This record gives sequence, C-alpha cells and structure tokens, in this order.
Amino acid sequence: AQSVAQPEDQVNVAEGNPLTVKCTYSVSGNPYLFWYVQYPNRGLQFLLKYITGDNLVKGSYGFEAEFNKSQTSFHLKKPSALVSDSALYFCAVRVGGRGSTLGRLYFGRGTQLTVWP
Amino acid sequence: EAQVTQNPRYLITVTGKKLTVTCSQNMNHEYMSWYRQDPGLGLRQIYYSMNVEVTDKGDVPEGYKVSRKEKRNFPLILESPSPNQTSLYFCASRLGHSNQPQHFGDGTRLSIL
Repeated sequence: AQSVAQPEDQVNVAEGNPLTVKCTYSVSGNPYLFWYVQYPNRGLQFLLKYITGDNLVKGSYGFEAEFNKSQTSFHLKKPSALVSDSALYFCAVRVGGRGSTLGRLYFGRGTQLTVWP
Repeated sequence: EAQVTQNPRYLITVTGKKLTVTCSQNMNHEYMSWYRQDPGLGLRQIYYSMNVEVTDKGDVPEGYKVSRKEKRNFPLILESPSPNQTSLYFCASRLGHSNQPQHFGDGTRLSIL
C-alpha cells in the first residue's frame, strides 16, 4: 500500500533561519513526489515535484526538496525562512502510470509551519 | 485565468437534506477528484474521475455520489447528509499523465447539523 508520513505536526523556526519539513514515503513502484502549501481559507497550491533526474528539486518561493531513494525521504527545505512562509504543508506521493489505481495521489497529514519574526 | 471553481464556499444545512457541491475547471483536464480534509487526518480522496463518464471510488466514498457528464464539471452529491460529513471539501484537477501536479479549488466548508 502507498503511504506518506510527515512525522512532525508542527515546525517552528525563527525568521532568517533555515527550515526543514520532513516527509517519508512508502510505495510499490517508482514514486512521483509533490509538495503543496495551504494558506488559511485557500486550496492547496503546488510547490514542487520530483519525477526523475536530479535529486535536488527547486520550486516556488525559494523552496527546494531533496529526494533520497535509500531513505525513502523527500524533505522540504528553505535556506532562509520568512514570516509569510507560515502555512500548512503537505507532502504527497503518486505511483507513475495511467491505470485507474495508478496515478492516485496519497497525502501526508500535513505539517504546520510557523515562522516567528 | 486557469482555475478550479467550487460552489458554494460555505454551507450550513440539516441532516437528510440533499445537497450538491459543484466543481468546474477551465484547463481541459482529464483527471478530477474530490477530497475531504479533517484535522489530523490530512486529505482523503472521496471519488475521482479519469475522464468523462469514468469515475471510481477513493478511500472514503460512503455517503457520496459523483458524476462526470462533461469534461469540465465534476459535482459532488450528498443524497442524505449526516453530521459526520461535516468537513472541508476540495475539488482538484490535473492533466492525464500522473507526473502532473493537481490544481485545487479554494474549498467548500460544509456543516451538517
């Protein structure tokens, strides 16, 4: 079965410091990995994805994520956090393919990031 | 502007009164899906559709119906709503290939009394 774990419900960091939001996954097959961000009263917004190739993926708003196949992890990072980065972050995984059960997206439970000024 | 539009954004209703939440996308996406978001549980898929007239159950389909008569629309129907369906609902769409990200609507907050 496919699953995603975000081990931290909450991450707190001071503005200007680096941030990391952790994600590990379990899939049978090649994973497509995604990070989404949710601001209050809004839907999820796509940040970045890993499909294949370079393990370090760069995305929107200065975020990046590192794919680690041996550790089955896809941690989200940013070198210098902003107060405006405070939001709910979701990691998601999908198994590649076009079949009816392949292609479904599985989400972690989310990590609330708070950046203090 | 490319978007997924859900209506209504907020609804308070009573047990047993049928309701429909509409979802429309203007990006010609093949794949559409419905999720519910509950505290501590993340997003759980209710139903999804690979294309017109092709729908299938997600993880939590009980108490919901969907239809996909047109490519752009994917309404969620609660025939007899119950309080345990009080939740925040999201519609999403994407292009057919599974390496594409999903685009989400802004959500519908349903309260069933």
